[in-house]
Amino acid sequence: DSGVTQTPKHLITATGQRVTLRCSPRSGDLSVYWYQQSLDQGLQFLIQYYNGEERAKGNILERFSAQQFPDLHSELNLSSLELGDSALYFCASSVSTQGDTQYFGPGTRLTVL
Amino acid sequence: AQSVTQLDSQVPVFEEAPVELRCNYSSSVSVYLFWYVQYPNQGLQLLLKYLSGSTLVKGINGFEAEFNKSQTSFHLRKPSVHISDTAEYFCAVSRMDSSYKLIFGSGTRLLVRP
Repeated sequence: DSGVTQTPKHLITATGQRVTLRCSPRSGDLSVYWYQQSLDQGLQFLIQYYNGEERAKGNILERFSAQQFPDLHSELNLSSLELGDSALYFCASSVSTQGDTQYFGPGTRLTVL
Repeated sequence: AQSVTQLDSQVPVFEEAPVELRCNYSSSVSVYLFWYVQYPNQGLQLLLKYLSGSTLVKGINGFEAEFNKSQTSFHLRKPSVHISDTAEYFCAVSRMDSSYKLIFGSGTRLLVRP
């Protein structure tokens, strides 16, 4: 158990819909990262938040957005869903010193039908 | 930009045999190096990481990796594998300067046979 929790574990929805994925970091970790794992693109960094502020952006679509709340939990919002958005979405957290280990949650498996 | 290449998509090996999973990286700046393992239906777990110092890094579950700067490689090794080592292994890098994001390789599936 990494100490990072993600809900829900599974999500099945239809094209065009909007979903919210939730992540609670390990106690004491200020940074939260979101990654997408798909068969065709592998593991890709989406976005990082540090203590409530956006720190870095990766290959995140404009239809996707995220935020980190004062209690440090984070939410990833995916809208106008397409079939290609079906993937495993991981949240990771770290204290946020360079080279810190990122601890990964169990992931949310999103299926878009 | 950084990139990570894991040349072997799958490595089959018999139980108790040694194994090496290869990882090469490309970067114009200095990077930290990581190996993560993903068991079926689970998240990623850190095996080991190289930040600085000794180029031979020991990790959990008997794994070790050697950083070779001249060959830009960070190969993962285990002298004797177990059935329970069957999993997907990911090599990753992150820049030393400002960005903490991990750039992952495509993964190597280690399949340990009895």
